[in-house]
Amino acid sequence: DTEVTQTPKHLVMGMTNKKSLKCEQHMGHRAMYWYKQKAKKPPELMFVYSYEKLSINESVPSRFSPECPNSSLLNLHLHALQPEDSALYLCASSQAGAPYGYTFGSGTRLTVV
Amino acid sequence: AQKVTQAQTEISVVEKEDVTLDCVYETRDTTYYLFWYKQPPSGELVFLIRRNSFDEQNEISGRYSWNFQKSTSSFNFTITASQVVDSAVYFCALSESTLTGNQFYFGTGTSLTVIP
Repeated sequence: DTEVTQTPKHLVMGMTNKKSLKCEQHMGHRAMYWYKQKAKKPPELMFVYSYEKLSINESVPSRFSPECPNSSLLNLHLHALQPEDSALYLCASSQAGAPYGYTFGSGTRLTVV
Repeated sequence: AQKVTQAQTEISVVEKEDVTLDCVYETRDTTYYLFWYKQPPSGELVFLIRRNSFDEQNEISGRYSWNFQKSTSSFNFTITASQVVDSAVYFCALSESTLTGNQFYFGTGTSLTVIP
């Protein structure tokens, strides 16, 4: 299995809703990442988990809350989002400490209304 | 300083023309990886190629070819006989190793429009 699977593919949520994005990989990668991408811009790193511990938080607002329950799963919990948070959210995984095997999921298209 | 520079923001070509997308990178690591991704209007990030720093052989895959030159820190991408379906944003990226995981640097992307 050489894939990173993200669910759901599309999500529409209101500003008062609570929702979660899910990311799963079974490649034995111990580093997992969340990116946010706006249209025609490169993906921007949000969070990095290394060996299930949060190692990088790129000053992301607290309305985004990541969670890594085990080595295969990464969640992004969303609460009280703003319309400007509408974007493509990408998950990726890689071997920790090795610059290869960086694999992206196909993303969740989030719309906040 | 930008780790990955894609100087061409937008390119338009007429169908069947060849087009080269430029990518210049900056790193002090001896071991690193370079990538190209395609992002069509549908939005998903499509992996095209990964090249490690020790392999400077050029690669050809159908109409796509890549020219990796360490001497100029460039990893350029050429599409031969372009087609309308090649219209997309193309990102070049660099991956370096760190203790906490890989640092992954994207270029700003080149938006390619192929005109029928």
